Formats: sequence, structure tokens, C-alpha cells
Amino acid sequence: AQSVTQLGSHVSVSEGALVLLRCNYSSSVPPYLFWYVQYPNQGLQLLLKYTSAATLVKGINGFEAEFKKSETSFHLTKPSAHMSDAAEYFCAVSGYGGSQGNLIFGKGTKLSVKP
Amino acid sequence: DADVTQTPRNRITKTGKRIMLECSQTKGHDRMYWYRQDPGLGLRLIYYSFDVKDINKGEISDGYSVSRQAQAKFSLSLESAIPNQTALYFCAAGQGNQPQHFGDGTRLSIL
Repeated sequence: AQSVTQLGSHVSVSEGALVLLRCNYSSSVPPYLFWYVQYPNQGLQLLLKYTSAATLVKGINGFEAEFKKSETSFHLTKPSAHMSDAAEYFCAVSGYGGSQGNLIFGKGTKLSVKP
Repeated sequence: DADVTQTPRNRITKTGKRIMLECSQTKGHDRMYWYRQDPGLGLRLIYYSFDVKDINKGEISDGYSVSRQAQAKFSLSLESAIPNQTALYFCAAGQGNQPQHFGDGTRLSIL
């Protein structure tokens, strides 16, 4: 079965500092991987996706993620945090076979940005 | 206009009541999903539908039912609500392995 583990339920950084949110996945087939962001009182918005093309994926708002098969990781980074990045971030892997397209989510990481 | 619209946005009700949450999409996607979000647990899949005649249970379907009235409409029902169904509910629409599009959620409180 596929699964996603997000290390750290809360991450706090200073404005201008590097953002690193960790995601490890388990999948017996080449995965489709996604990062979503949830701002307060809103739904989930897609940040970026990996679909077996380039291993370094660029998303919106300056975020990017690198797919590392050997480490089964898909960590999300941003070089310089802004106050507006404070939100909850979810990593997800897409199912396969009869569940193709279904998303299995990690438990989320809440990012706080200090002035 | 939002691609995926959920109604109501907020609902407070009592134990034992029947509740319906509605979802509609303008994306023309075949697939629709209902998730539940609880603090610290992420999103968990309740039901999903690959087309109008194809309804499938997700990870946590007990206590819930769904209806796919049309390609664009997918409703979630709680036949007899209980307090541990208090949560944030999301509807999503998608196509194959393409990213799903989410509604803004329904915050449901059961007293």
C-alpha cells in the first residue's frame, strides 16, 4: 500500500530564512507526487506536482521540490520565507490500479513564519 | 467563479440528525471525491466516484453515504450524525492522475 510521511507537524522559520518541509513516500510503482497548501479557512491549493518528468519540480510562489527515488523523498523548499507563506502544507501520493488518481495524504506540516 | 463549490460552508446540528453536504464542479472532470480533515490527521478519503454509475468506498466510509446526481454534482450524507463526525469536509474533482481541485470546505459541528 502507498503511504506518505511528513516529518514535523510544525515548522517555524524566520522571514527570509530557508523553508524545508520533509516528505517521504512509500510506493511499489513509480509515484505521482503532489504538494498542496492550505491557507486558513480555505481549501487546498496545488503548489506543484511530480509526474515522472524532471526530478526538480518548480511550483507557484517560489516553491520547488526534488524527487529522490533512492531516498523515497519529495521535500519541499523555498529559499526565502515570506510572512504570507504561513499555512499548512500537505504532501500526497497518487494511488495506482483501481485507485489511480486517488490521493493518499500525509498528516500535514504547519509552517509559521516569524518576523 | 470557483471550480468546485461546496454548500453549506458551515453547519451546526444535533446528534441523530440527517445532514447533506453538497458539491458541484464546473471543470467537467469525471472523478469526484469527499474527504474529511481532522487536526493532525491530514485528509482522509470517505467516498469517491469515477463517473455517475461508479461509486466507491474510501478509507473511512462508515456512517456516510453519497449520491452522484450528475457528472457535476456529488453529495455526501450523514444519515444519523454523531459528535465524532465533527470535522472539516472537502469535496474535490479530478481527472486521471492530474491534480485534484478542491472546494473551500464545509465546517460541520455536531452537538
